[in-house]
This record gives sequence, structure tokens and C-alpha cells, in this order.
Amino acid sequence: AAGVIQSPRHLIKEKRETATLKCYPIPRHDTVYWYQQGPGQDPQFLISFYEKMQSDKGSIPDRFSAQQFSDYHSELNMSSLELGDSALYFCASCLGGEVGQYFGPGTRLTVT
Amino acid sequence: AQSVTQLGSHVSVSEGALVLLRCNYSSSVPPYLFWYVQYPNQGLQLLLKYTTGATLVKGINGFEAEFKKSETSFHLTKPSAHMSDAAEYFCAVSDLRFGNEKLTFGTGTRLTIIP
Repeated sequence: AAGVIQSPRHLIKEKRETATLKCYPIPRHDTVYWYQQGPGQDPQFLISFYEKMQSDKGSIPDRFSAQQFSDYHSELNMSSLELGDSALYFCASCLGGEVGQYFGPGTRLTVT
Repeated sequence: AQSVTQLGSHVSVSEGALVLLRCNYSSSVPPYLFWYVQYPNQGLQLLLKYTTGATLVKGINGFEAEFKKSETSFHLTKPSAHMSDAAEYFCAVSDLRFGNEKLTFGTGTRLTIIP
């Protein structure tokens, strides 16, 4: 079965640079969530979209922005990167009305 | 606000022994509860979920969990541990009122299997 696709899988950036992470949900899924998992920590919710509209917002820095496109894929844009942004970034998708989020493999971002 | 507490950041069991990973939740409304497993350098895989109805939930890989409202618990069990069960396990909660909503995770339990 098709799963959530995230690209790139690994990304190395320098401080103050920008990064764009992409998420392709499972076909038919209309809802996307973004989570950040720091080293040795649990995933923290950043932001979510339902039918291309932002549905909820968590602890996402103002330097980050995200959107969901007409084909339901989503992009997380991160600017003025800081060392503390180094983490695993997960995207999860689901179908509105059904329970259970399905996670992608994550993008490991390293800021040097 | 909802939260989950996982008791024990590290649990070690012998191969073939019972696995018990503890999770307690705090929620002002009936919650949705989940267990996810994360293997090294991989994403989170849904093991099982509780929404409503039967309180004993069976998941993949032989795992099951029981929702106990009186104890606000959702402990994960497996009768016989296998080496391939070694991983990080996360309990998570979301708000029933809003359907499929953001997940709030516990701090995780690292399960080690002793040969």
C-alpha cells in the first residue's frame, strides 16, 4: 500500500539558510500534520491542514511557514535556520472523518 | 489540555517474556488513544488505537492494549517478546471532540529485548 512520502530524507543546512521540506500524503488523504522530533524527544505538533486550509497550529516558530496545495501535498518552509532546528521532521496524513494518522519516514534536518 | 505519561523510559525484557509498557492519560473529555512504534532512524508506525466501544484493542505484531477509564490507563502488552520488538514506543492522545486531531505524545519508552 502507498505510504506517506517525504523529501528529502536528509538535509544539511548552515545557520541562517532556508529549507523546504515536502510531504506527499497517502492517496485520498486530505489532512496533513507536521511534527518536529528533537534528539531523544517525543514528536511535537507544529501545524496541520485540512482541505488546503490551516486547521490547527502548535509550537511552530514564526520563521516557519507551511501550506497545502491543490494536490494535497504540503510543504514546510523554514527560514533563518538555527542550530536548535536540527531535528527529525515528520509529516502524517489521514482522511478527514477517520481516526488514525499515518506517518512518513521523516526528514532529518541538520543545521551546522 | 490533554497529556499522556509513560512510566519507564527504558524497559528490558527477556525474549519470550511478557511485554508491559505503561501509559496513563489525562483528559477532560473522552479521548482517542494510540500506540506508535519507532524503529531506529525510521518513522512512526501505528500499532493500535482506541476510539470507542470495546476496551481491549488488538493491534499489529501481536500487541494489544486495554482502555481502563477508572484508572485512566492504556497499557500496551504482548504475551511473548521477540527480538524484533526492540524499538521506541510512544503513547499518544487526541481530542475526541474534534475527530482526527493533533496528537500529543508521551516521552516514549525504549524497549530492549534480552536474548
